[in-house]
Amino acid sequence: DIQMTQSPSSLSASVGDRVTITCRASQSIRIFLNWYQQKPGKAPKLLIYAASSLHSGVPSRFRGSGSGTDFTLTISNLQSEDFATYYCQQSYSPPPITFGQGTRLE
Amino acid sequence: EVQLVQSGAEVKKPGESLRISCEGSGYRFTTYKISWVRQMPGKGLEWIGRIDPSDSYINYSPSFEGHVTISADTSISTAYLQWNNLKASDTAIYYCARRRSYDTSDSLTVHAFDFWGQGTMVTVSS
Repeated sequence: DIQMTQSPSSLSASVGDRVTITCRASQSIRIFLNWYQQKPGKAPKLLIYAASSLHSGVPSRFRGSGSGTDFTLTISNLQSEDFATYYCQQSYSPPPITFGQGTRLE
Repeated sequence: EVQLVQSGAEVKKPGESLRISCEGSGYRFTTYKISWVRQMPGKGLEWIGRIDPSDSYINYSPSFEGHVTISADTSISTAYLQWNNLKASDTAIYYCARRRSYDTSDSLTVHAFDFWGQGTMVTVSS
């Protein structure tokens, strides 16, 4: 199975900050990498697909980059509604699909 | 409007059986695969498996194969996740999610979960 490792596990920031979350795959996954946001008590929401493409309706302050094994999610001008947990997910290999362990932004 | 609506919270005893559901609406149900994802209390997301409603082809994660069964009834646009022998360790929130395919400029097709159900809380306790 492809292992996905996110860092940091938690991150403290303030409104207006710029933050970066990293996701590393245990082998190359090209651009088969998605990012999700999950707020407490809610289902995850798709933010970024194919490493850098913004899902419909997602604000442009969210930016994804990377390919191969190393990926980043950058949130610029942090808003109060962005405080949540973020997960990366690979869809490269045949099943199983795997997620990173999550990064809590607080 | 695309929606995945899941069945309500369940409280069961160890050894009991359970089937939870996920009804899709606002799109052609047979066009998109449905996955199930587990989230144990305070933990991250784990992929359980998926079904292609068009032909009922199923993939399971090795971590869950043999313990759960995924199925679908296309006549009512509903996918199911079933247990025959619940354990306390099955206590979790279970989400269904629709898999969408995206074509990229690199001529690759990438898949992502674009719509999710609201989640079903399953509690297994004696």
